[in-house]
Amino acid sequence: QLVLTQSPSASASLGASVKLTCTLSSGHSSYAIAWHQQQPEKGPRYLMKLNSDGSHSKGDGIPDRFSGSSSGAERYLTISSLQSEDEADYYCQTWGTGGFYWVFGGGTKLTVL
Amino acid sequence: EVQLVESGGGLVKPGGSLRLSCAASGFTFSSYSMNWVRQAPGKGLEWVSSISSSSSYIYYADSVKGRFTISRDNAKNSLYLQMNSLRAEDTAVYYCARSVVSPDYWGQGTLVTVSS
Repeated sequence: QLVLTQSPSASASLGASVKLTCTLSSGHSSYAIAWHQQQPEKGPRYLMKLNSDGSHSKGDGIPDRFSGSSSGAERYLTISSLQSEDEADYYCQTWGTGGFYWVFGGGTKLTVL
Repeated sequence: EVQLVESGGGLVKPGGSLRLSCAASGFTFSSYSMNWVRQAPGKGLEWVSSISSSSSYIYYADSVKGRFTISRDNAKNSLYLQMNSLRAEDTAVYYCARSVVSPDYWGQGTLVTVSS
């Protein structure tokens, strides 16, 4: 079964960097994912598509402070030079094959201290 | 500028029906697959349904199959979700999203509350 696992929460200081993790379930380590940001009381915003080799393509207007990387079944989102507006929920998402469906991780709530 | 604006949400009794709309602008609507994703209060995102650019392919989550119907009108740049036999667990903010493989633009959502 295709499942994405995220830590429920993370925190980092203003101006620092943070690395969020999304883990693909067993047997799905080659899957690409997408990262989405959801600021409080807003709709989600697409950040990037991240492939298993670490290559990624970002959405329109996404700052260079946001980057992605991969290792095995883990997919990472790194945010550098943290700003107050980065305080948000971050969701990873992927898509099934052999039948269309989307799967979302449970989300990580990022607090900027 | 890509814009997706949902409407049609509201309060409905269990067993009732509601039709959501999503008005799209700023891109060639007929070239993209479109989708509905929902978020229950305080919870994460849940995929609901997807429709291909020409409506040839339609998919539903098991949780809504047989009760919800997705459709689109490319001449009106609009996406729809007809929701029947609504249940309390369908209470959520419903977002429409454009996609290539994954969603790359999202709307701001419309709230559906199912309660007696």
